[in-house]
Amino acid sequence: QVQLQESGPGLVKPSQTLSLTCTVSGGSIRSGAYFWSWIRQRPGKGLEWIGYVYYSGSTHYNPSLKGLVTLSVDTSKNDFSLMMTSVTAADTAVYYCARLLTSAPNYFDYWGQGILVTVSS
Amino acid sequence: QSVLTQPPSVSGAPGQRVTISCTGSRSNIGAGYDVHWYQHLPGTAPKLLIYGNTNRPSGVPDRFSGSKSDTSASLAIAGLQAEDEADYYCQSYDDSLSTFWVFGGGTKLTVL
Repeated sequence: QVQLQESGPGLVKPSQTLSLTCTVSGGSIRSGAYFWSWIRQRPGKGLEWIGYVYYSGSTHYNPSLKGLVTLSVDTSKNDFSLMMTSVTAADTAVYYCARLLTSAPNYFDYWGQGILVTVSS
Repeated sequence: QSVLTQPPSVSGAPGQRVTISCTGSRSNIGAGYDVHWYQHLPGTAPKLLIYGNTNRPSGVPDRFSGSKSDTSASLAIAGLQAEDEADYYCQSYDDSLSTFWVFGGGTKLTVL
């Protein structure tokens, strides 16, 4: 059974960098069948796709966040990471990592349980 | 404002049938992209419920069914059970310039 688990600080100061890691167990991140994604849910809002990273390191981002977000993968640790710079209170959210199929139909078949990140001084 | 529109809440008594709508546009559902549904209990990992408009992953009861037509889709839950009380999200792909994978705002199902 594939499991994803987010980790990282729950509190980040405004203008600083948010860094989260998603550890994958029960499956290899090297599989070419999946994109490794981040999704967030801000308070009172719906889900927002942030971007994905492929095992090769190639990435694709939500245009609304491009330039602020960097995704990376570490195949030796079977994990992938999110870095978001210059955060503001508007980046307070529950952040989820999820596995996205590369082929149609493209859906997210496994998710982490999410991590609440609060941006506050 | 989510790209896909869902009702904020629906409710039903045990044993009843409820439907949750998901309305999109010609750049996502109306462009022929598949719709997928997720069930989310707060504090837990969202769970894939329906993929490819109508397909259930292994282990999902056949009480859950999906459909799609034109620019919208629906999730139907028959024989409501208390354990179905959760948030439900639809998801599709959007080929406009704004974004790619898109979600609905979520629907809170209350079992009365």
